[in-house]
Amino acid sequence: GAGVSQSPSNKVTEKGKDVELRCDPISGHTALYWYRQSLGQGLEFLIYFQGNSAPDKSGLPSDRFSAERTGGSVSTLTIQRTQQEDSAVYLCASSLVGTGSYNEQFFGPGTRLTVL
Amino acid sequence: SQQGEEDPQALSIQEGENATMNCSYKTSINNLQWYRQNSGRGLVHLILIRSNEREKHSGRLRVTLDTSKKSSSLLITASRAADTASYFCATDANTGGFKTIFGAGTRLFVKA
Repeated sequence: GAGVSQSPSNKVTEKGKDVELRCDPISGHTALYWYRQSLGQGLEFLIYFQGNSAPDKSGLPSDRFSAERTGGSVSTLTIQRTQQEDSAVYLCASSLVGTGSYNEQFFGPGTRLTVL
Repeated sequence: SQQGEEDPQALSIQEGENATMNCSYKTSINNLQWYRQNSGRGLVHLILIRSNEREKHSGRLRVTLDTSKKSSSLLITASRAADTASYFCATDANTGGFKTIFGAGTRLFVKA
């Protein structure tokens, strides 16, 4: 079946512009995650959505970052007034949350954001 | 603060040798996972070990978990050039949700 998809794969923008990154999770997965990965670094948790619960936004680095998930499926991460330090690969993942705490995440290919 | 931290940061070995990577974390967990990331396949889940398990095997992978020391190790036996990748441990924060924290990773290079 189809995996997690993200668009665009690459985005180059000018400092101060807004950008929107899209994630299509695996159908039926109730949990969706956004991470940021700078070059040569690990993954930095940004936000996650779990079913109809309020999202955990504790990882968002500033109020310029926001995300929504419409209809429990597609998610959009928005970065307003982009800064050069926002340049990174933004990864989306989804997981099928069943009973217990099993939580294998399936990752998309990422969006490489470059802020000039 | 970062939950999982791996060591070494980088590891270079010859094909056929074993590779061991370690992960330490700070708070209690429900489970710990290992992921691999390479340019060809992106981030892929390798194995999950629950907090009540001490060892788990999957093919050439062996994972151990010591909750008293808050540490885990990933052993790759008989390494291959294709194992060249970055390896990350990931832990849930045991806060009742499913927030996952990744470490900075170990970069493994297997020389043919």
